[in-house]
Amino acid sequence: ELKVEQNPLFLSMQEGKNYTIYCNYSTTSDRLYWYRQDPGKSLESLFVLLSNGAVKQEGRLMASLDTKARLSTLHITAAVHDLSATYFCAVENNNNDMRFGAGTRLTVKP
Amino acid sequence: NAGVTQTPKFQVLKTGQSMTLQCAQDMNHEYMSWYRQDPGMGLRLIHYSVGAGITDQGEVPNGYNVSRSTTEDFPLRLLSAAPSQTSVYFCASGAGGGAYEQYFGPGTRLTVT
Repeated sequence: ELKVEQNPLFLSMQEGKNYTIYCNYSTTSDRLYWYRQDPGKSLESLFVLLSNGAVKQEGRLMASLDTKARLSTLHITAAVHDLSATYFCAVENNNNDMRFGAGTRLTVKP
Repeated sequence: NAGVTQTPKFQVLKTGQSMTLQCAQDMNHEYMSWYRQDPGMGLRLIHYSVGAGITDQGEVPNGYNVSRSTTEDFPLRLLSAAPSQTSVYFCASGAGGGAYEQYFGPGTRLTVT
């Protein structure tokens, strides 16, 4: 059964610092997604990673995928307050079945 | 484009009642899905569909039914509501057979007393 683990679950950062969120999954897959959720809101797609070695960047966020290690990372560079949110990774298996991680609640403090 | 719409936004049910959560999308997406989100947990997939007339179970399907008679609509039926079904429900759609980013609706907050 496909299981997805994110860590850390809670992350408090100072503005200007860098940090990485990790997403490990248990079975073979080369389709991984990152989403952002603001409090009380719906989910917004950030990145779609569809092959081993895929790297995508948008502003201060960069996501990568290593399918051999079954690991994706979301790297935050020079954090700003606007990045405060909960970040989810999601992994899809060959049957179009999707599993989400528990989420990382990020707080960026001045 | 309205994107993915869900109704109602809020609902309170008594144990044993049934109801249907509505979901519609106007992007001509083949893939649609229903999730529930509980505090401290990620989203859990209830049911999904890869096209009209095709549905499949996700991680937590018990107590829920779905049908997909059109590309646009994917209603979720609670057969006999239980307090354990208190949650926020999200509907989503995606362009591919799932292998694309999904667009999420605004959510329905359901309370079962």
